[in-house]
Amino acid sequence: DAKTTQPPSMDCAEGRAANLPCNHSTISGNEYVYWYRQIHSQGPQYIIHGLKNNETNEMASLIITEDRKSSTLILPHATLRDTAVYYCIVIAGNTGKLIFGQGTTLQVKP
Amino acid sequence: DAGVIQSPRHEVTEMGQEVTLRCKPISGHNSLFWYRQTMMRGLELLIYFNNNVPIDDSGMPEDRFSAKMPNASFSTLKIQPSEPRDSAVYFCASSFRGDYEQYFGPGTRLTVT
Repeated sequence: DAKTTQPPSMDCAEGRAANLPCNHSTISGNEYVYWYRQIHSQGPQYIIHGLKNNETNEMASLIITEDRKSSTLILPHATLRDTAVYYCIVIAGNTGKLIFGQGTTLQVKP
Repeated sequence: DAGVIQSPRHEVTEMGQEVTLRCKPISGHNSLFWYRQTMMRGLELLIYFNNNVPIDDSGMPEDRFSAKMPNASFSTLKIQPSEPRDSAVYFCASSFRGDYEQYFGPGTRLTVT
């Protein structure tokens, strides 16, 4: 599975959009990009995933570049409750094995 | 649905004692995963089951760890004997057909003294 690179930390003002980048330059054609987050003292929470096209759900939007070498998770209107560690995971196949890296710690500030 | 249920939420035990962690997956999910999280190693997969059958236990650290899934609604992770280095938060997750959209429980914080 492709390796991902994320900034260790980011800040965002409450009410503004939070844009979390992820680099996955060695991604293969059949690998998906998954995003999870972990709020302090809770279990990880699935956010969104995509293959090629941009995706949007009630939580966030996922923008994948045309060459698929990077992606951005967008939280359109960040709230204090969005403060968490955000994990970008690239995965293929159906093994079910999620491999979590160090992620990005997002701090939403009032 | 109540989500994935784990018990106990906190466990403090002495070195050498047996520890059993329990998990009830979301009804209808047929894949179950056990993860461990520490500051040093982050979040790592220990074992996962499909239809109650262990599929991959390569993440189980050693023979002191064992996991069972006797039916679709219950799984246990047992450590015997426990050691201080086993102190961690243990998460259980479930999904439908091994999907990567996994739903995690609240975790069990284990402290071995």
